[in-house]
Amino acid sequence: DAKTTQPPSMDCAEGRAANLPCNHSTISGNEYVYWYRQIHSQGPQYIIHGLKNNETNEMASLIITEDRKSSTLILPHATLRDTAVYYCIFLREGQNFVFGPGTRLSVLP
Amino acid sequence: DAEITQSPRHKITETGRQVTLACHQTWNHNNMFWYRQDLGHGLRLIHYSYGVQDTNKGEVSDGYSVSRSNTEDLPLTLESAASSQTSVYFCASSQLRQGEQYFGPGTRLTVT
Repeated sequence: DAKTTQPPSMDCAEGRAANLPCNHSTISGNEYVYWYRQIHSQGPQYIIHGLKNNETNEMASLIITEDRKSSTLILPHATLRDTAVYYCIFLREGQNFVFGPGTRLSVLP
Repeated sequence: DAEITQSPRHKITETGRQVTLACHQTWNHNNMFWYRQDLGHGLRLIHYSYGVQDTNKGEVSDGYSVSRSNTEDLPLTLESAASSQTSVYFCASSQLRQGEQYFGPGTRLTVT
């Protein structure tokens, strides 16, 4: 089963880095890890994805462990607008995205 | 700029009525998806399409249908609305079948 495990909630101080962990111990070699977020009442927003190497874009960095069983999404300087539910997902080949409950990140002033 | 839109944004209907929710994307993506989101269940896939004339059932397809007559649109129809279909509906599209998806703003549907 393409299941990930994330903490249900986290807090982060504004301006600090937010590090959101995800466990995906059943991931296979050619399956990508995706991160999305959903700000209240809006549609989910794609953030970043990766396979083996660490990735960075204008929104975030993705650190994937060498054994690929877990990853961390890093928001380097969290703002109040980063308060959202963050979803970590990996795709089984031939299957579609399965969104779990995610992590509710609260950025505090 | 390319985008994905949904209409209406809010809809109230009565039990038993047929309802169609519209989804339109201007990215020229072949792949389009419909999800519903309810408290306690997260996002669940209803139907999806990999191209014109292609439609597939997702996890919770009962009571819903879609048709794909062109690349830009994937309307979702509730044949006979039920109170259990009260939900927020999101449409998404992607360039690759298993690539990143881009979501619309959602339609909040209430069935009374």
